[in-house]
Amino acid sequence: GAGVSQSPSNKVTEKGKDVELRCDPISGHTALYWYRQSLGQGLEFLIYFQGNSAPDKSGLPSDRFSAERTGGSVSTLTIQRTQQEDSAVYLCASSWTAEQFFGPGTRLTVL
Amino acid sequence: RKEVEQDPGPFNVPEGATVAFNCTYSNSASQSFFWYRQDCRKEPKLLMSVYSSGNEDGRFTAQLNRASQYISLLIRDSKLSDSATYLCVVNKHQAGTALIFGKGTTLSVSS
Repeated sequence: GAGVSQSPSNKVTEKGKDVELRCDPISGHTALYWYRQSLGQGLEFLIYFQGNSAPDKSGLPSDRFSAERTGGSVSTLTIQRTQQEDSAVYLCASSWTAEQFFGPGTRLTVL
Repeated sequence: RKEVEQDPGPFNVPEGATVAFNCTYSNSASQSFFWYRQDCRKEPKLLMSVYSSGNEDGRFTAQLNRASQYISLLIRDSKLSDSATYLCVVNKHQAGTALIFGKGTTLSVSS
């Protein structure tokens, strides 16, 4: 069956621009997570959606970062006024139980 | 103390060797434990869950010591294809919450 998909796979943007990253979770998975991974670093938790509950935003690094999950399915991560330190791979994962399934990620480069 | 700590390695071993990775975690309330594998420039994928009684999957054995807050992964008869980064992963308090990832231990198996 289809796994988690993310788009775009690569995004190059200029400092100060806004970007939107999309995640399509596995159908039926109630939980959706966003992480980012900088070069040579571990995964950093950003935000977590579970069903209709209020999202856990505790990992968002600044108010330039926000995310939505519409209809309990697709999610969009928005980064406003991008900075060079935002350059990373942004990974989305979804789950039904404790096991999380990851998408291929979006590689964001801020020039 | 970091939430999840791993020796980054790299571990360089010949084919057929047995290698062990260790991991410690700081949150005694954590309930779920995993080893994920991440290949270079790829997304993480679940290798195996870790149960209190210990569990084995082919050449891989995972063990959990809750008293010491310690998790281990043993790989027997290493294959070239085992070369990857192995991520120790811990849930927060209950299933469905965000995963906390260690920075990973890099394994390189050579012929």
